[in-house]
Amino acid sequence: EIVLTQSPGTLSLSPGERATLSCRASQSVSSSYLAWYQQKPGQAPRLLIYAASSRATGFPDRFSGSGSGTDFTLTISRLEPEDFAVYYCQYYGRSPWTFGQGTKVEIK
Amino acid sequence: EVQLVESGGGFVQPGGSLRLSCAASGFTFSSYSMNWVRQAPGKGLEWVSYISSGSSTIYYADSVKGRFTISRDNAKNSLYLQMDSLRAEDTAVYYCARDSNPNYWGQGTLVTVSS
Repeated sequence: EIVLTQSPGTLSLSPGERATLSCRASQSVSSSYLAWYQQKPGQAPRLLIYAASSRATGFPDRFSGSGSGTDFTLTISRLEPEDFAVYYCQYYGRSPWTFGQGTKVEIK
Repeated sequence: EVQLVESGGGFVQPGGSLRLSCAASGFTFSSYSMNWVRQAPGKGLEWVSYISSGSSTIYYADSVKGRFTISRDNAKNSLYLQMDSLRAEDTAVYYCARDSNPNYWGQGTLVTVSS
């Protein structure tokens, strides 16, 4: 089973700053099946990035995904107040789907 | 538009049973494998179960194996999760999700197991 490790656990930043979130896989995975989700309190996870770098409908271009092999990154170029949330990475190339433990982006 | 709507959640005592349903619309349900994913309060996401499009292949997380049963009715565009011998640690929001690229998820249904 592929294990995804996200870092850091919490990221404390101010609006306007750049956020860089990491997701590391325990073995090389296909970037075609690496996703990122955004989750706000009381809401379902919302697909943000799929296939490592494709942005889902409704998200602005300040969000970008990159990476390959075992190392993937979600970058938020300039944080807006609505971006403070928990972010999860997911590998869905095979069963079982696996998820990282999440990175909380909080207001500093 | 792809839609997945879960139902059937609620409050149940330990040892009890619940059956979750997921109604699919906006796509050819019979062509896609499906999954259940759950999230305990304040915790991360946990994959629970997988079923192939024709129900020939089924997988479970070790944490639910022997207690949960996934099934589907392609004629009714519906996915199910029969949950037996429920434990407190099964308390979570349960999401159904289409196995595709990208995935599609429902909004979830809350299951609370408590005495």
